[in-house]
Amino acid sequence: GAVVSQHPSWVICKSGTSVKIECRSLDFQATTMFWYRQFPKQSLMLMATSNEGSKATYEQGVEKDKFLINHASLTLSTLTVTSAHPEDSSFYICSARVAGVYEQYFGPGTRLTVT
Amino acid sequence: GQQLNQSPQSMFIQEGEDVSMNCTSSSIFNTWLWYKQDPGEGPVLLIALYKAGELTSNGRLTAQFGITRKDSFLNISASIPSDVGIYFCSGGQNFVFGPGTRLSVLP
Repeated sequence: GAVVSQHPSWVICKSGTSVKIECRSLDFQATTMFWYRQFPKQSLMLMATSNEGSKATYEQGVEKDKFLINHASLTLSTLTVTSAHPEDSSFYICSARVAGVYEQYFGPGTRLTVT
Repeated sequence: GQQLNQSPQSMFIQEGEDVSMNCTSSSIFNTWLWYKQDPGEGPVLLIALYKAGELTSNGRLTAQFGITRKDSFLNISASIPSDVGIYFCSGGQNFVFGPGTRLSVLP
């Protein structure tokens, strides 16, 4: 149980275009979903937290107009990187949790390369 | 904000050896979580600790919630090649991660 999927697993896009990444909890309903970013040989950096039906809460320094998060249902959250630039190239990982516990279940990640 | 420190940053051990790593914080946490990340994949939850002083095992892994609530330890016994990866701690209530301990196991 507690499986989280992400799609796509990797994507290459041209500078200036937008990319959407989907995160789904497959066998449970997630009250909260998280989006992390990870650069090579670094830890996970929390970008934003989203609750179903509410606006996402962004961490300091994360541009909410650039990284659009939609949490439309208890099993789906999307991250859209708008007007992507090469410096947005990174490994994006989502996670999900259920109410009352702090354990997070992570997706396999999406590697974004902006050319 | 709250920051977590992990030590060691990296370690190289022989297969069969035991491993010990820790995570510390300047703040008190109500929960400590340990994850493992393999290259190119998302982290996987190993152990969750919810009570100060708690000692919890998961196979060859044992983790403890420090009584000060500012630290936690993870031990791996009789390491095997598939233990290779990065081990992250997380203080549950703010969902941030420590910098990680990178483990290499030499055959």
